[in-house]
Amino acid sequence: GAVVSQHPSWVICKSGTSVKIECRSLDFQATTMFWYRQFPKKSLMLMATSNEGSKATYEQGVEKDKFLINHASLTLSTLTVTSAHPEDSSFYICSARTASGRATNTGELFFGEGSRLTVL
Amino acid sequence: GESVGLHLPTLSVQEGDNSIINCAYSNSASDYFIWYKQESGKGPQFIIDIRSNMDKRQGQRVTVLLNKTVKHLSLQIAATQPGDSAVYFCAETRKTSYDKVIFGPGTSLSVIP
Repeated sequence: GAVVSQHPSWVICKSGTSVKIECRSLDFQATTMFWYRQFPKKSLMLMATSNEGSKATYEQGVEKDKFLINHASLTLSTLTVTSAHPEDSSFYICSARTASGRATNTGELFFGEGSRLTVL
Repeated sequence: GESVGLHLPTLSVQEGDNSIINCAYSNSASDYFIWYKQESGKGPQFIIDIRSNMDKRQGQRVTVLLNKTVKHLSLQIAATQPGDSAVYFCAETRKTSYDKVIFGPGTSLSVIP
């Protein structure tokens, strides 16, 4: 099946630094990637939708200057948390949709294994 | 606002029993629903899906029921096993310009051996 890889799987950084998280579709082309954020014992909250070659669409309340998203190719999207602070500590999960459109029998999306960010 | 929600935040069941996890949604425009399983520290794993033109769909040990009249769906797990212990999310997609997938709050299922 289709695989989505996230890197790093976990990262610890100092407050004020920036952290980049990569999301790669390994065996398919993803025209659309989604970035989610998940706090402990909470659900996945959609942050933004990333379309290859265009600006990301952010959900209400998500600061686009804080969470920079780039989708430069059909297999790679990156999320950069700029000037990270302890409240940005969270589990960030990306998902990808195939270029062919709806991915039947897979729940629409292929998910990465997540990246846990801890800001000291 | 419109959202997908769950009735029970936690559920404990005896091994071998059947589990039922419920989910309510508020937007009648939602046309596709998915159940995901998430184990600790991992990304969501697809379980089963159902489209709004169906009211029941069965998989291996799992069944999803959709009641559009009351905007409710459920996930039934037969003969629950310890490996089923996880958090379960229902999710929906709506007919918007970019079909984002919105997750419900989740139910933690604990299987008692």
